[in-house]
Amino acid sequence: GGIITQTPKFLIGQEGQKLTLKCQQNFNHDTMYWYRQDSGKGLRLIYYSITENDLQKGDLSEGYDASREKKSSFSLTVTSAQKNEMAVFLCASSIGGEDTQYFGPGTRLLVL
Amino acid sequence: GDSVTQKQGQVTLSEDDFLFINCTYSTTTYPTLLWYVQYPGQGPQLLLKVTTANNKGISRGFEATYDKGTTSFHLQKASVQESDSAVYFCALVSPASGSWQLIFGSGTQLTVMP
Repeated sequence: GGIITQTPKFLIGQEGQKLTLKCQQNFNHDTMYWYRQDSGKGLRLIYYSITENDLQKGDLSEGYDASREKKSSFSLTVTSAQKNEMAVFLCASSIGGEDTQYFGPGTRLLVL
Repeated sequence: GDSVTQKQGQVTLSEDDFLFINCTYSTTTYPTLLWYVQYPGQGPQLLLKVTTANNKGISRGFEATYDKGTTSFHLQKASVQESDSAVYFCALVSPASGSWQLIFGSGTQLTVMP
């Protein structure tokens, strides 16, 4: 088995601030993902990465940057936080070529 | 492109009631359909997977089936318990560059009253 760790668990930011969320996995999975979850909506894909130093945009990539410097870690940056924004950001990973994704517990973002 | 619709936003049942959640999908490929469950404060966990090969999945008393004719897939459980209270998401596996992506429904909040 393995585990996905997301830090921080809660993140409070100011409008216009650049905010970074981190994700670590010890599954030794090739592919990692970032999703955004809004209340009453499904998960929407922001970025994914199929290997170290690879980045692929999802449907919601505008306003975000991502970085995959190591196989085990995947970071997401909110480039300019929007006032009253509230969402949960979920990191996931999967074995390369497989469709089953394993999720971390999430980072809860609130922008004041 | 591929899409999933999950219309039941909230379902409230009593213990031992029958659960039925429905999603519809649209895809040009052979569908692989997943059900995830999310408990408060946690990330989604895979509950069941259904493909055109197996047509049905069973886990922890839950059963998932799909109907190619109506392009719909269902999650059901004969007798729910209070511990089943959670959010249930359906998801369609969709090809992506170098990988697969999951197209999620909007989720069904299940509340089971004791």
